[in-house]
Amino acid sequence: AQSVTQPDIHITVSEGASLELRCNYSYGATPYLFWYVQSPGQGLQLLLKYFSGDTLVQGIKGFEAEFKRSQSSFNLRKPSVHWSDAAEYFCAVDRFHAGGTSYGKLTFGQGTILTVHP
Amino acid sequence: GAVVSQHPSRVICKSGTSVKIECRSLDFQATTMFWYRQFPKQSLMLMATSNEGSKATYEQGVEKDKFLINHASLTLSTLTVTSAHPEDSSFYICSARKKGHWAGELFFGEGSRLTVL
Repeated sequence: AQSVTQPDIHITVSEGASLELRCNYSYGATPYLFWYVQSPGQGLQLLLKYFSGDTLVQGIKGFEAEFKRSQSSFNLRKPSVHWSDAAEYFCAVDRFHAGGTSYGKLTFGQGTILTVHP
Repeated sequence: GAVVSQHPSRVICKSGTSVKIECRSLDFQATTMFWYRQFPKQSLMLMATSNEGSKATYEQGVEKDKFLINHASLTLSTLTVTSAHPEDSSFYICSARKKGHWAGELFFGEGSRLTVL
């Protein structure tokens, strides 16, 4: 069965510090990978996605993620965190896709809550 | 663009009653909508997939007679929790796949928190 693991339930960083949120997946084929952010009272917003090609992908709000097949990881990074980045972050894997088309059924990790200290 | 709205955002009901939650894509047509459930401190779990004009496909372990899903148009899907019980209390989130959008990117609603007394 496919699974997504986010080992860190809660991370606290100081504003301006760098950030790395971990994500590991268990999936039998080439995965489609996503990072979403959820702010209180708002829906999940897509930060970035990886389907193929360059393993370092750039997203919105200054985030990037690197796909490492050998480690089954897709860690999210940001060089300098802003107070507005405080939110919950979800890593997700697309369960079904073929021929470059996704069916949109996502398996999510448990989420990582990010707290930013001034 | 690509806004998905859920209503109501919060609902409290008595045990045994039914509750309907709406999911609307406000500025695009959604060929497929997904319903997720999120328990406290847990991840989102896919409940069902609904395609406009056809029956919903439920994930294993989800009771289709308890969680009725209707996708009547390209902009509206509804989830009805029938004969609700306290264990149905949860955060329900819908997402929509944009028509013509081949990739797995989904657009999510704000979620609806159901509390069954």
